[in-house]
Amino acid sequence: GAVVSQHPSWVICKSGTSVKIECRSLDFQATTMFWYRQFPKQSLMLMATSNEGSKATYEQGVEKDKFLINHASLTLSTLTVTSAHPEDSSFYICSAESSSYEQYFGPGTRLTVT
Amino acid sequence: GIQVEQSPPDLILQEGANSTLRCNFSDSVNNLQWFHQNPWGQLINLFYIPSGTKQNGRLSATTVATERYSLLYISSSQTTDSGVYFCAVRAVDTGRRALTFGSGTRLQVQP
Repeated sequence: GAVVSQHPSWVICKSGTSVKIECRSLDFQATTMFWYRQFPKQSLMLMATSNEGSKATYEQGVEKDKFLINHASLTLSTLTVTSAHPEDSSFYICSAESSSYEQYFGPGTRLTVT
Repeated sequence: GIQVEQSPPDLILQEGANSTLRCNFSDSVNNLQWFHQNPWGQLINLFYIPSGTKQNGRLSATTVATERYSLLYISSSQTTDSGVYFCAVRAVDTGRRALTFGSGTRLQVQP
């Protein structure tokens, strides 16, 4: 089956620093990737839709200058959390859409900002 | 936007029991997927089932698109089935490609 990887799987950073999370589709090309955020014991909330070669589309309430998304190739999308603060601590999950429209999810990145 | 409701929110089973999880959605969909989120947070694809019935081992799913619901059946449950089960859909008319998730069913299978 299709595999999506994320790196790093967990990261601890100090308040005010930036963190980059990578999402890769390993065995298929993905024109469209998605970034979700999940708080403990809650469902996944869409942050943005990432399209290869174009600007990301952000959901209402998500600060595009804080959560920078780059989708430079058909297998890689990155999410950079800029000037991170403790309230940005969360579980970030990416997904990639296959040619058959099924979505596959990465294992997630647990971000802790101290 | 489209609303997705899952029931029950929590479920406790004894090993070997069967269960049915339900997902109701408020608009027509062209994608419906069931996922199992394991204790480490990984979402495992169970079914891609915008309509019809599929089976995979002890799991099966049915989507009745005209009535806007889907069911996930788990038979002979095992402790490894524990976790959260999510239904996620994509509405037809919005042009939005992302999935909208239900709130999940938290399943605990006891030995």
